[in-house]
Amino acid sequence: GAGVSQSPRYKVAKRGQDVALRCDPISGHVSLFWYQQALGQGPEFLTYFQNEAQLDKSGLPSDRFFAERPEGSVSTLKIQRTQQEDSAVYLCASTSQNRGNGYTFGSGTRLTVV
Amino acid sequence: AQKITQTQPGMFVQEKEAVTLDCTYDTSDQSYGLFWYKQPSSGEMIFLIYQGSYDEQNATEGRYSLNFQKARKSANLVISASQLGDSAMYFCAMREVYGGATNKLIFGTGTLLAVQP
Repeated sequence: GAGVSQSPRYKVAKRGQDVALRCDPISGHVSLFWYQQALGQGPEFLTYFQNEAQLDKSGLPSDRFFAERPEGSVSTLKIQRTQQEDSAVYLCASTSQNRGNGYTFGSGTRLTVV
Repeated sequence: AQKITQTQPGMFVQEKEAVTLDCTYDTSDQSYGLFWYKQPSSGEMIFLIYQGSYDEQNATEGRYSLNFQKARKSANLVISASQLGDSAMYFCAMREVYGGATNKLIFGTGTLLAVQP
């Protein structure tokens, strides 16, 4: 596609519910990143994929967070047993160059846990 | 550890005037890249400008320029001739460049810019 597409745009979850957030990167982009942006803060790194390989998951806040990219294109971020502190915007970015400056972000998924 | 500091939570500027948004960074690496992104209320992160640590000239992109002072570890964004549509949150970010690394971006806390007519 022309840009990075994320769905759903908004998600309301009851505490304890599992959620799945989808990211469809630009076709052919090798690198894919997930970020978490709390209200009034800058985005914080969660995890990174190069093709289907998850090379860095150091930013995932707990074992309730899980990400996958099985075929090296679409990625899913799953949060199990959601908590109120998981409420944030989840941003996905992709780039074709591991060292380049061409990061393209999606519009994000705003998750609200009630 | 790498860190980006943006000390201005909010800024006002009159339409058609220039404004400088401050950014300082901390890194022990010699090779790195600095970015500015704009985030309007709709939420998407829009890339504005990039400066590599070895670039000798300050980056410019239209009305945006980056005042890069390497010794001071600062990378301020200058927006000339402000427009009402420039009202948004602005983030400074850094990427360290080294072999085999994630090349993730480290973001500051942002500056909310309000352009007044």
